[in-house]
Amino acid sequence: AQSVTQLDSQVPVFEEAPVELRCNYSSSVSVYLFWYVQYPNQGLQLLLKYLSGSTLVKGINGFEAEFNKSQTSFHLRKPSVHISDTAEYFCAVSADKAAGNKLTFGGGTRVLVKP
Amino acid sequence: NAGVTQTPKFRILKIGQSMTLQCTQDMNHNYMYWYRQDPGMGLKLIYYSVGAGITDKGEVPNGYNVSRSTTEDFPLRLELAAPSQTSVYFCASKKQGSGPYEQYFGPGTRLTVT
Repeated sequence: AQSVTQLDSQVPVFEEAPVELRCNYSSSVSVYLFWYVQYPNQGLQLLLKYLSGSTLVKGINGFEAEFNKSQTSFHLRKPSVHISDTAEYFCAVSADKAAGNKLTFGGGTRVLVKP
Repeated sequence: NAGVTQTPKFRILKIGQSMTLQCTQDMNHNYMYWYRQDPGMGLKLIYYSVGAGITDKGEVPNGYNVSRSTTEDFPLRLELAAPSQTSVYFCASKKQGSGPYEQYFGPGTRLTVT
């Protein structure tokens, strides 16, 4: 079984400042890693995913994440946030051979961008 | 493509009532999922399906039932609604096969049981 821990439940940040959202996971098998974003009153949409290869993954809207196998982490970063980045962000893992390719989600990190 | 659609968007149920949450996708995805989202808890998997006629339990299946008679539709049935089922419900779908294909989510159904 897999588990995901998002270390910060809320992150307030000023506009144009950098932000880092932390995600740690545990799994006894190899996994795929995802970050999803949920804007207010909407469903989730994919920001980026790690499959294999380069540990630095670039996603949409200027986000990137770095996979660290030794620390079992997949932290999300953006160098300069906008008001429109106010949303909830979810880290998720999927074991590559799990039945149904089920996703296990972290508890989410709510980002509030202040002007 | 409309993607994943869910109806209704909002619903209030009385304790003990039943209802069906509808989910339809037009991407010809074989895999479909139902999640519930409680505040601060992330998403928990209720049921999933890997194809028409095949369903399996997720992490929190109690109090729910599903069926999958077509590739497009994956309804979620609540029998004898309880306050603990107050939540936001999301349906998702994914391409067939193992691999890192992303799940596509619907807009959600906000359910209140009073």
